Amino acid sequence: AQSVTQLGSHVSVSEGALVLLRCNYSSSVPPYLFWYVQYPNQGLQLLLKYTSAATLVKGINGFEAEFKKSETSFHLTKPSAHMSDAAEYFCAVSASYNTDKLIFGTGTRLQVFP
Amino acid sequence: SQTIHQWPATLVQPVGSPLSLECTVEGTSNPNLYWYRQAAGRGLQLLFYSVGIGQISSEVPQNLSASRPQDRQFILSSKKLLLSDSGFYLCAWSLHSGNSGNTIYFGEGSWLTVV
Repeated sequence: AQSVTQLGSHVSVSEGALVLLRCNYSSSVPPYLFWYVQYPNQGLQLLLKYTSAATLVKGINGFEAEFKKSETSFHLTKPSAHMSDAAEYFCAVSASYNTDKLIFGTGTRLQVFP
Repeated sequence: SQTIHQWPATLVQPVGSPLSLECTVEGTSNPNLYWYRQAAGRGLQLLFYSVGIGQISSEVPQNLSASRPQDRQFILSSKKLLLSDSGFYLCAWSLHSGNSGNTIYFGEGSWLTVV
């Protein structure tokens, strides 16, 4: 069965520092992988997704993620954090190859300090 | 462009009372529709999934039910709420294509507090 593990429920960085949010997946089929962001009391917004094209995926707001099959990872990075990046981030994997249903991780809350 | 509307945004209900959360999608036809629940520290849990009118799949056993009376309308209901039903409920949609990898688009969510 597909699953996602997000290492670290909370991550704190200084403004301007590198952001690294970790995601490891388990999938019995080639996965589709997603990162979503959630601002307080709002729904989820798609940051980026991997659908078996380029392994380095660029998303909105300067975020990118690299699919590494050998490490079963899909970590999210941003070179320089901004105060507005403070939010909760969710990694997700497709539940199976013929459905859009997603399995979500438990989320990582990113705090950005001035 | 497509939009998704979900209401009410906030709801406080006593234990044992009924529940109805509504969701509509505009700008697309025959979407896949979803209800997710978000609990602190547990991520998002898929509750119901629908590929068409009257076609509902329940993903987990629970005190809730879902209905899809129209193509772009999805309703989450309960006859008698439990304290454990409290949480943040998210409606979502994706294109009905038969393939995976389509983006799921979320509504703004509904906060339910059962007291």
